[in-house]
Amino acid sequence: DTGVSQDPRHKITKRGQNVTFRCDPISEHNRLYWYRQTLGQGPEFLTYFQNEAQLEKSRLLSDRFSAERPKGSFSTLEIQRTEQGDSAMYLCASTPQGRSPLHFGNGTRLTVT
Amino acid sequence: GDSVTQMEGPVTLSEEAFLTINCTYTATGYPSLFWYVQYPGEGLQLLLKATKADDKGSNKGFEATYRKETTSFHLEKGSVQVSDSAVYFCALSGDNFNKFYFGSGTKLNVKP
Repeated sequence: DTGVSQDPRHKITKRGQNVTFRCDPISEHNRLYWYRQTLGQGPEFLTYFQNEAQLEKSRLLSDRFSAERPKGSFSTLEIQRTEQGDSAMYLCASTPQGRSPLHFGNGTRLTVT
Repeated sequence: GDSVTQMEGPVTLSEEAFLTINCTYTATGYPSLFWYVQYPGEGLQLLLKATKADDKGSNKGFEATYRKETTSFHLEKGSVQVSDSAVYFCALSGDNFNKFYFGSGTKLNVKP
């Protein structure tokens, strides 16, 4: 169990640029989640996958955000045309099937200038 | 919809003091309840959990009891240490464990 891995740890980008983050879940965890956390707040649900199927997306997730999990293993989260309001910590978590808690990665901190 | 409300921080205590962080929830059905801890620069780590009413979760000296009658899951520790300084998040998951909802977090500062 090597834990959930996220890359990069930090990303600074200029407004209007596209960014992509990667998450490698714990192997054999078939559920993968993306959350966003802003300063002083708890994690806010964005989307989740069961294997390669994206089962739910938050209504808060604009069309500029897209996530994929093409082979049911790692996942990517892309933000197009970034805005300053996108600055946040993006957290990935995974869990095996069934009644299990989330296991989080250390997150990717995005700063949009 | 499902939600979690926890006491605002920061909470500042001296070492060896008693800790309580309040958490209440709103949920349909039979949620499971969790406490997560986040140390600076790190992701969230599961601290403890309880999956049904009257269950008590415990870990590292922390405890929380699932109280359905008061819809609460307060976190307690009898004697805090400086190393307990972190942000604590209360969370719930619905019946099917598909979605998890988090409170806004309570920052704990423990002074020597």
